[in-house]
Amino acid sequence: AQTVTQSQPEMSVQEAETVTLSCTYDTSESDYYLFWYKQPPSRQMILVIRQEAYKQQNATENRFSVNFQKAAKSFSLKISDSQLGDAAMYFCAYRNTNAGNNRKLIWGLGTSLAVNP
Amino acid sequence: GAGVSQTPSNKVTEKGKYVELRCDPISGHTALYWYRQSLGQGPEFLIYFQGTGAADDSGLPNDRFFAVRPEGSVSTLKIQRTERGDSAVYLCASSLTDFNSPLHFGNGTRLTVT
Repeated sequence: AQTVTQSQPEMSVQEAETVTLSCTYDTSESDYYLFWYKQPPSRQMILVIRQEAYKQQNATENRFSVNFQKAAKSFSLKISDSQLGDAAMYFCAYRNTNAGNNRKLIWGLGTSLAVNP
Repeated sequence: GAGVSQTPSNKVTEKGKYVELRCDPISGHTALYWYRQSLGQGPEFLIYFQGTGAADDSGLPNDRFFAVRPEGSVSTLKIQRTERGDSAVYLCASSLTDFNSPLHFGNGTRLTVT
C-alpha cells in the first residue's frame, strides 16, 4: 500500500524569506501523481502544485516549486518570497495514475506553516 | 461559477442519532469524492462516485456509513447511530471527469458527536 510521510508538524518562516516543506512517499508504482494542497482555516483544500512522476522536470507555479526526487521518493515544496497569506496547513498527497477504479488521494499528516511579519 | 457547496457547515448531534451531510458539486462534474479528516490528521478516503454509481466505497469504515448520488449531481453522506469517534470534518470534492482532472474541494462539514 502507498504511504505519504510529512515529518515536519510545524514550520515557520519570515515574510519574504524562503521555506521548504518535506514529503516522502512509498509506492511500487512507476507512474503516479504527487500534489501539494494548502488548507487555510476555511477548511477548503486548495491545490498548490501537481507533479506527474513520468516528468523529470520539476513543477513550478509562480512562487511555489517542487524538488521531485523519484529514486529517493521525495517531493519537497519550496515557497519563495513568503507572504502572510501563505500561512496554512500544507498537505502532500499521492494518487495512482492507472489503477482501475482506484482514484483516491493518499495524504500525509500535514505541516502547519506560520509566516512571521 | 459556484464552487463545491457543503451543508451544513457545522453539525452537532448526540451519540446514537442519524445525520445527513450534503454535497453540491460544481455543475457538470461527473466525479465526486467524500473524505473524512479527523483532528490533526490528513484526509482519509471514504467513497468515490462516477455519475450516479459508487465506483469505490472501500473507505467507508462500517455499515453505519452510506452515501448516495441519485441523479449524478448532489450527494448525501448518511451516518446512522453516530458515535463520538465519528466527529471529524467531512470533505467533499468534485472533478470534471474521473481521471486527470483536478479536484475542487468544498469547505467541509464539521461534525461533532456529543
